[in-house]
Amino acid sequence: ETGVTQTPRHLVMGMTNKKSLKCEQHLGHNAMYWYKQSAKKPLELMFVYSLEERVENNSVPSRFSPECPNSSHLFLHLHTLQPEDSALYLCASSSGINSDTQYFGPGTRLTVL
Amino acid sequence: AQSVTQPDIHITVSEGASLELRCNYSYGATPYLFWYVQSPGQGLQLLLKYFSGDTLVQGIKGFEAEFKRSQSSFNLRKPSVHWSDAAEYFCAVGSILTGGGNKLTFGTGTQLKVEL
Repeated sequence: ETGVTQTPRHLVMGMTNKKSLKCEQHLGHNAMYWYKQSAKKPLELMFVYSLEERVENNSVPSRFSPECPNSSHLFLHLHTLQPEDSALYLCASSSGINSDTQYFGPGTRLTVL
Repeated sequence: AQSVTQPDIHITVSEGASLELRCNYSYGATPYLFWYVQSPGQGLQLLLKYFSGDTLVQGIKGFEAEFKRSQSSFNLRKPSVHWSDAAEYFCAVGSILTGGGNKLTFGTGTQLKVEL
């Protein structure tokens, strides 16, 4: 695998389910990001991790819980979601140095019923 | 707070025609600016970026962008569009986070359609 990978690519869940999104980067980067992309809205930064420490949390509801066990892996744990949480969730990584380029994964298309 | 405006939601051009996508930003310091492209069902791919130096930046796939500080703009151009350029294009401004990493603020995107 190369670059940034995300699994699953598609997920359908009910509002009472618990699920997790996984992101893995193969670039040797130190910073990882979660973004939410909804129709008709700009990409929204959700969380930033640098060297496995959370450095940014953009007022995201607690039903989204991130986890970064090491610099290569990032998870987004989901529970008690709402239909308006349906979106494309994108993971990205960067070297963590200055404003270096962020490299994006293909995303997980989430549908909440 | 930083912000990005992409005034054109949709643009249609003929194959072989020139293209310019507009981007205006608001940022208090020297900006880091990016253009990304997204094809359907895919993540974002970096086209080019501006950090400092030459204000005309060359990118992949024949794209270029010009940073104009006086106009707070970073417009994307291509002299001759190919049908495979049909996609959504995002402009972003970046800032450094104290704890490491950086924060990208994106515009709402411009959907490009190419007519054959």
